[in-house]
Amino acid sequence: NAGVTQTPKFQVLKTGQSMTLQCAQDMNHNSMYWYRQDPGMGLRLIYYSASEGTTDKGEVPNGYNVSRLNKREFSLRLESAAPSQTSVYFCATSSGGSTGELFFGEGSRLTVL
Amino acid sequence: AQTVTQSQPEMSVQEAETVTLSCTYDTSESNYYLFWYKQPPSRQMILVIRQEAYKQQNATENRFSVNFQKAAKSFSLKISDSQLGDTAMYFCAFMKLGFGNEKLTFGTGTRLTIIP
Repeated sequence: NAGVTQTPKFQVLKTGQSMTLQCAQDMNHNSMYWYRQDPGMGLRLIYYSASEGTTDKGEVPNGYNVSRLNKREFSLRLESAAPSQTSVYFCATSSGGSTGELFFGEGSRLTVL
Repeated sequence: AQTVTQSQPEMSVQEAETVTLSCTYDTSESNYYLFWYKQPPSRQMILVIRQEAYKQQNATENRFSVNFQKAAKSFSLKISDSQLGDTAMYFCAFMKLGFGNEKLTFGTGTRLTIIP
């Protein structure tokens, strides 16, 4: 049981390049999330998706786009990467309000030069 | 909007001792969950303990317990008989309940080091 799988685990980009972080879950959860983690700032929500076909902005959406391809997959795209987007990115899923627990992927470290 | 504050950026304690991590939050909601997540050096986020706001009884999970003070909006984590494997970042988090709106808001974290 893989749970939540993120790819790639590490990536180095040059300013202005684009890339997509992929997330897939096999937990049959409706809700999926993208967070970024920066030193001293905890985890901040970029975008989330309450169900297939719906997405909403979180706290720090600027510079990102998302796509909920189906129930299993939720991708995060950086169209024109900036050094300020250097961070560790986490995908997470949740079954909803019954327990509230989020299940996280292992994280993706992105460096923008 | 909800905010979560962890005022202790770093803490350290001797192995086998007890340590308490502080967390306060601000919300106008009445129905919510509170969580403590642990992030060891492996970077994996691991749920430590969960508290439902409507429950007066404090949650416990083995060596981990919370002191939930709803009126004071305080949610501290106590780790008893601390072990080397408890060394990690600890994040307090808040979730407002609502179908399709379960977003987790995190504090900035406390880095806990257990000293052998």
